[in-house]
Amino acid sequence: GAGVSQSPRYKVAKRGQDVALRCDPISGHVSLFWYQQALGQGPEFLTYFQNEAQLDKSGLPSDRFFAERPEGSVSTLKIQRTQQEDSAVYLCASSLRFGFGETQYFGPGTRLLVL
Amino acid sequence: AQRVTQPEKLLSVFKGAPVELKCNYSYSGSPELFWYVQYSRQRLQLLLRHISRESIKGFTADLNKGETSFHLKKPFAQEEDSAMYYCALRAHMDSNYQLIWGAGTKLIIKP
Repeated sequence: GAGVSQSPRYKVAKRGQDVALRCDPISGHVSLFWYQQALGQGPEFLTYFQNEAQLDKSGLPSDRFFAERPEGSVSTLKIQRTQQEDSAVYLCASSLRFGFGETQYFGPGTRLLVL
Repeated sequence: AQRVTQPEKLLSVFKGAPVELKCNYSYSGSPELFWYVQYSRQRLQLLLRHISRESIKGFTADLNKGETSFHLKKPFAQEEDSAMYYCALRAHMDSNYQLIWGAGTKLIIKP
């Protein structure tokens, strides 16, 4: 079956521009995560959804970052007034249920470059 | 705070040689530990998890709570093992089930 998909795969933005990154999780997966991966680093947690509820957004680096999952399926990560330090790969992951023992399945990521 | 440390950014070994990728963690409770692998131009995928105690593609990893380590091992490396390897932890205290990641080790298998 189809895995997690993300679009666009690459995004170049001018500093100050708003961007929207989309994640399509595996159908039926309850949990959805966003991670940010800077060059040469491991992923870092941004936010977590259980169905449409955003249960944790403690990893969002500033109030310029906003995520939603209005119908409990597709999720969008929006970054307003992008800054150069926002340049990173943004990863989306989903898991069938919530809880320990659940495997997270990752999308290919969106590589964002802010000039 | 929880932390995962992978001390080697790059590890290069010859084909057929043993491989050990190091992972240390700091967490006072009972963690779940994972190894994820990312092959060139592919997405992150789960390699193995400590609760399964399985061997995948010849790799094994044992959780050592005394040394807070979860090193990944393979007795005979193959060229197709060349990839980025990430160790990750999930803390049982957290209710959001996020993964906490090491910085990764790039493994290069020389022919």
